[in-house]
Amino acid sequence: ETGVTQSPTHLIKTRGQQVTLRCSSQSGHNTVSWYQQALGQGPQFIFQYYREEENGRGNFPPRFSGLQFPNYSSELNVNALELDDSALYLCASSPGLALDTQYFGPGTRLTVL
Amino acid sequence: GENVEQHPSTLSVQEGDSAVIKCTYSDSASNYFPWYKQELGKRPQLIIDIRSNVGEKKDQRIAVTLNKTAKHFSLHITETQPEDSAVYFCAASSAGNQFYFGTGTSLTVIP
Repeated sequence: ETGVTQSPTHLIKTRGQQVTLRCSSQSGHNTVSWYQQALGQGPQFIFQYYREEENGRGNFPPRFSGLQFPNYSSELNVNALELDDSALYLCASSPGLALDTQYFGPGTRLTVL
Repeated sequence: GENVEQHPSTLSVQEGDSAVIKCTYSDSASNYFPWYKQELGKRPQLIIDIRSNVGEKKDQRIAVTLNKTAKHFSLHITETQPEDSAVYFCAASSAGNQFYFGTGTSLTVIP
């Protein structure tokens, strides 16, 4: 069984740029959720994908967008980067929607200068 | 949406003592409550979870209690060890499996 993986590990961008983060879900999992974790804070829900469709979104602007592929891997795209977007971005996968445990990837540390 | 509050933000205990972390939630529809442990620079790891049809769950030194009426749940760690030192997060989820996290508790176990 393969765990959740994310790439890249670290990323440095400048204000106004665009970034794409990637997540490979755990084998057998069809649901991926993305979270933003600012330093010293709990993870904040960005959005969730279930079988390639968005299934809920947190309080994030439209410049945060995502995608899920047929193999259930996922991308998080952020346009027009702002300094406050600097954070650890975590993805988590689960076997489905029904109160299933979410398993987290190691995260991507994004720094916006 | 759901609002989860977590207390205390920091907690120091002597090795061997117990630690208790408390969370409250606002959405009565929430029915799944996991607890995660996050060591510095690492991913959150699930340590225990509870569903709303259960009032208490225990796994060795770790237990979680849930009071649906009062909308609060707690993590109890007994016989603490230095390796228990980490940041602990509670979360709440309703249908759709969207997790809402507390702000975390930094636990330090003093040898």
